[in-house]
Amino acid sequence: KQEVTQIPAALSVPEGENLVLNCSFTDSAIYNLQWFRQDPGKGLTSLLLIQSSQREQTSGRLNASLDKSSGRSTLYIAASQPGDSATYLCAVRRGNAGNMLTFGGGTRLMVKP
Amino acid sequence: GAGVSQSPRYKVAKRGQDVALRCDPISGHVSLFWYQQALGQGPEFLTYFQNEAQLDKSGLPSDRFFAERPEGSVSTLKIQRTQQEDSAVYLCASSFTRDSLEQYFGPGTRLTVT
Repeated sequence: KQEVTQIPAALSVPEGENLVLNCSFTDSAIYNLQWFRQDPGKGLTSLLLIQSSQREQTSGRLNASLDKSSGRSTLYIAASQPGDSATYLCAVRRGNAGNMLTFGGGTRLMVKP
Repeated sequence: GAGVSQSPRYKVAKRGQDVALRCDPISGHVSLFWYQQALGQGPEFLTYFQNEAQLDKSGLPSDRFFAERPEGSVSTLKIQRTQQEDSAVYLCASSFTRDSLEQYFGPGTRLTVT
């Protein structure tokens, strides 16, 4: 059974810092990996999706990498801002045909002004 | 356009009561997923529909949980004889086709069982 772990569980940083969130998964036979953002009382917003054949994806100040063989992904946030404060979730998908996502426990990020 | 909507947004139930949670997916989306998110944890898969067919219900925690999507659009998750451990946020997600890369999530229903 696939297990996804995120480290750290919580992180508090001053504004402007670059930071790295980590995600590991036990079964490397994945179809894709996705990073989400969740704000309190809100649903999940997709940030980046990496297909299994890709190594990384970038969007603005966010960069996500994938090392499928070692079962790891990192989300890099450059020049963090207070508006980045949220919970970040990583999820893996086993296959394409309607397969569900398996989520990690999330990293709760607070960026202090 | 309109995203995935869920109702009610908040529900308080006394232990033993039955509850029904509704999900309106994005119009035209074939696939629909339900997830359960306990406090401080990531979402966990409950069940999956392709149109009106429930193709995977392996994540439903007990036979008290039942989901349906009779016309292939709106879905209802029903929990019978609620227990305190059912307290969680229930998230619904939809995707355009069975092979679509992304799932679009609704805001969730927060269920509190007292």
